[in-house]
Amino acid sequence: AQSVTQPDIHITVSEGASLELRCNYSYGATPYLFWYVQSPGQGLQLLLKYFSGDTLVQGIKGFEAEFKRSQSSFNLRKPSVHWSDAAEYFCAVGRGGGADGLTFGKGTHLIIQP
Amino acid sequence: GAVVSQHPSWVICKSGTSVKIECRSLDFQATTMFWYRQFPKQSLMLMATSNEGSKATYEQGVEKDKFLINHASLTLSTLTVTSAHPEDSSFYICSAKFGQDTQYFGPGTRLTVL
Repeated sequence: AQSVTQPDIHITVSEGASLELRCNYSYGATPYLFWYVQSPGQGLQLLLKYFSGDTLVQGIKGFEAEFKRSQSSFNLRKPSVHWSDAAEYFCAVGRGGGADGLTFGKGTHLIIQP
Repeated sequence: GAVVSQHPSWVICKSGTSVKIECRSLDFQATTMFWYRQFPKQSLMLMATSNEGSKATYEQGVEKDKFLINHASLTLSTLTVTSAHPEDSSFYICSAKFGQDTQYFGPGTRLTVL
């Protein structure tokens, strides 16, 4: 069965600093990988996704993620965070396809310090 | 972007009663919708896959007689929590499949059972 691990429950970053959120997955086949952001009162918003091809994926809001098969990782990065990036971030793996039921990690709560 | 709504956003009910939660795709048709459950400070857990015009597929460990899912149209899926108990209190989130590789999430419904 597939699983997703986000080892950092909380991360605090100063505004303007760079960010990396870690995600490791376990999946027997080629994974369909996603990063979502959840803000209070709003639905999960898709930041980016990886299915195949270039292992460096660009997303919305200046985020990018790199798929590393050898490390079973799909870490999310942003070169300079803004206060509005404070939210809960979820990594997820799709089963059998991009729009199949997703298995989520436990999430990382991002705190931005002024 | 595609929009998914949920109603109600918050519901409080007495133990033993049933509660219905609606999930609507507002600007697209969705043959497949998903229902997730999120405990406080926890990840999203897939409960079931809802297909228009057919029976829902439930994940292992989810009681199908307790969580009734109906996907009667291409834009509406409903989740009914029957004979609700305090342990059913949770945040219920739906998503709708869009195209081949994307799903859009609703804002969630917080259920509190007294």
